Amino acid sequence: NAGVTQTPKFQVLKTGQSMTLQCAQDMNHNSMYWYRQDPGMGLRLIYYSASEGTTDKGEVPNGYNVSRLNKREFSLRLESAAPSQTSVYFCASSEDRGLTNEKLFFGSGTQLSVL
Amino acid sequence: DAKTTQPNSMESNEEEPVHLPCNHSTISGTDYIHWYRQLPSQGPEYVIHGLTSNVNNRMASLAIAEDRKSSTLILHRATLRDAAVYYCIPEGGNKLVFGAGTILRVKS
Repeated sequence: NAGVTQTPKFQVLKTGQSMTLQCAQDMNHNSMYWYRQDPGMGLRLIYYSASEGTTDKGEVPNGYNVSRLNKREFSLRLESAAPSQTSVYFCASSEDRGLTNEKLFFGSGTQLSVL
Repeated sequence: DAKTTQPNSMESNEEEPVHLPCNHSTISGTDYIHWYRQLPSQGPEYVIHGLTSNVNNRMASLAIAEDRKSSTLILHRATLRDAAVYYCIPEGGNKLVFGAGTILRVKS
C-alpha cells in the first residue's frame, strides 16, 4: 500500500544544474500537487494538476515546470537551479470528485539543496 | 483565502487532553475547516475536517464555534507520537494553504 511515492529522497545540485523530481500515486486519484516547505515555515503550493493533461500555477511557480505524464505520475522540473530553491518538496494527491472537503495524501518529501 | 491565527507552540503532558485553538474570522460560509499535522521529517497527514457541526474520529475531535470564526482541535489523550506541527486550514477548494501551524510538544 504505497500511497504517494517521491524520488529521490535527497538531492544536492550546483547552481544552474537541472533536475526532475518524480512523484507517483497508486490510489487512482485525479488531482496531484507540488508543495515546497522552507525551514520553519508552512507549505506553499507550486503547481497542481486537477486531472490528467491539465496543470495550473499555484502560489510560487517561478523557476519550475511540471508534467502530468499520466494519471499516476506528476513530475516537477527545475531547469536552472538556484540557491533560493533549496527546500523540502512534497507531492500530494486527492481523489477530487468535485467535492470541497477531500483529503490530501502526501509523500514523504524530497530534500533538495542547491549550492 | 481565510486568514488563520494559531499559537506558535503549545506544550502538553503525556496522557492529558490537548486543545489546539485556531481563529479564522474571515472564513466564508462554504469553507470547510481542515486540520492536518506534520510529524518530524514526514509529509503532512490528514487529521479531521468539518463545516458547522462538531466532528469526531479515531484521531481527534473538532469543535467549531457557532459563528464559525474559530475552532479547536482536541486530542483526548496526548501521546509522545502526537508531537507534531498542527495546521488549521479553512478552505473551500482542494488547494489547501498551509500556514506556520502550532508546534505541539508532549512531555513524558
